[in-house]
Amino acid sequence: AQSVTQLDSQVPVFEEAPVELRCNYSSSVSVYLFWYVQYPNQGLQLLLKYLSGSTLVKGINGFEAEFNKSQTSFHLRKPSVHISDTAEYFCAVSEQGSYIPTFGRGTSLIVHP
Amino acid sequence: EAQVTQNPRYLITVTGKKLTVTCSQNMNHEYMSWYRQDPGLGLRQIYYSMNVEVTDKGDVPEGYKVSRKEKRNFPLILESPSPNQTSLYFCASMRTGPGVEQYFGPGTRLTVT
Repeated sequence: AQSVTQLDSQVPVFEEAPVELRCNYSSSVSVYLFWYVQYPNQGLQLLLKYLSGSTLVKGINGFEAEFNKSQTSFHLRKPSVHISDTAEYFCAVSEQGSYIPTFGRGTSLIVHP
Repeated sequence: EAQVTQNPRYLITVTGKKLTVTCSQNMNHEYMSWYRQDPGLGLRQIYYSMNVEVTDKGDVPEGYKVSRKEKRNFPLILESPSPNQTSLYFCASMRTGPGVEQYFGPGTRLTVT
């Protein structure tokens, strides 16, 4: 069975600094990987996803993530964050052949001025 | 506009008083799901449905019921709510297929006193 670990529950950072949110997964088969963002008082929306091909995936709002199969990781990065990036970020995985996703516990990104 | 709607958005009720949270999607998606979100626990799946009249338990189904009589609707029923069901609830839908992302509703904040 698949599982997802988000290593940091909270990441504080100053505006315009770079940020990395970490995600590791466990699965015995090939996977699809997702990052979702939840802004305050809203539902989740897709930030980016990895299906196959290039391991570097670009998403909305300047975010990108890199799939590393050997380390079973899918870390999310942004070179310069804004106050508006303050939100909860969820990593999710679904196995090829079964599209039901498993979510991580979420990482709260807090951007300080 | 493609969307998932939930009603009500906020609900305060008392222990034991039956309630229903409605969920509707206008994207003709086969798959629908209910999650609860609690601090430090992330998103946990309650029930899901692969199609009309097909439902299955998620990770935390105790105390909840669902039905899928129509493709667009997937109500969540709490027949005898208890305080430990105080939570933020999300409905989601997606078309079935590999690497497909979910679309989430805006959430329902439920308080059971």
